[in-house]
Amino acid sequence: DIQMTQSPSAMSASVGDRVTITCRASQGIANYLAWFQQKPGKVPKRLIYTASSLQSGVPSRFSGSGSGTEFTLTISSLQPEDFATYYCLQYNSFPFTFGPGTKVDIK
Amino acid sequence: QVQLVESGGGVVQPGRSLRLSCAASGFTFSNYSMHWVRQAPGKGLEWVGAIPYDGDHGYYADSVKGRFTISRDSSKNTLYLQMNSLRPEDTAVYYCTRRHGYNTFDYWGQGTLVTVSS
Repeated sequence: DIQMTQSPSAMSASVGDRVTITCRASQGIANYLAWFQQKPGKVPKRLIYTASSLQSGVPSRFSGSGSGTEFTLTISSLQPEDFATYYCLQYNSFPFTFGPGTKVDIK
Repeated sequence: QVQLVESGGGVVQPGRSLRLSCAASGFTFSNYSMHWVRQAPGKGLEWVGAIPYDGDHGYYADSVKGRFTISRDSSKNTLYLQMNSLRPEDTAVYYCTRRHGYNTFDYWGQGTLVTVSS
């Protein structure tokens, strides 16, 4: 099975900060990676698919990059509504696996 | 518009069974593989399993293999999750979601809560 790790597990940031979250796969997954945002009590929302494609309707301050085993989600200028938990998902092979999440809160 | 609506959650004793449903609308259900994802209270997301568009056979996480079965009824545009031999650690909100090409997990249901407790 493919294991996904994320770093950091949590971070404090300020509005306007550039934020980078890293996701690593235990083996190559090409670009079969998605990023999700989840706020407390809400349904996960897809931000990025195929590692770098922006979901329609998602602000352009979100971007994804990487392939193979290392991926990043970048928020270019953090906004108040971006404080949430972010998860990566590999869908290269079964069983699909999520990363453990990165909680971004207010500094 | 695409809608996924889960139902069937509730409180169940350890060792008992429960069946969840996910009613789909707004898209061609038979073209999509369908997945279940769960989230235990205060924890992260966990992929539970999937069924291909043709309903041939399911794929499962090790944590539920042999206890959970996913099925689908394309005549009713409905996905099911049969959960047997439930354990307290199966307590979670269960979401259904879809996949077809680039549309991987682009829409999710609102979730249904399953609590396994005596």
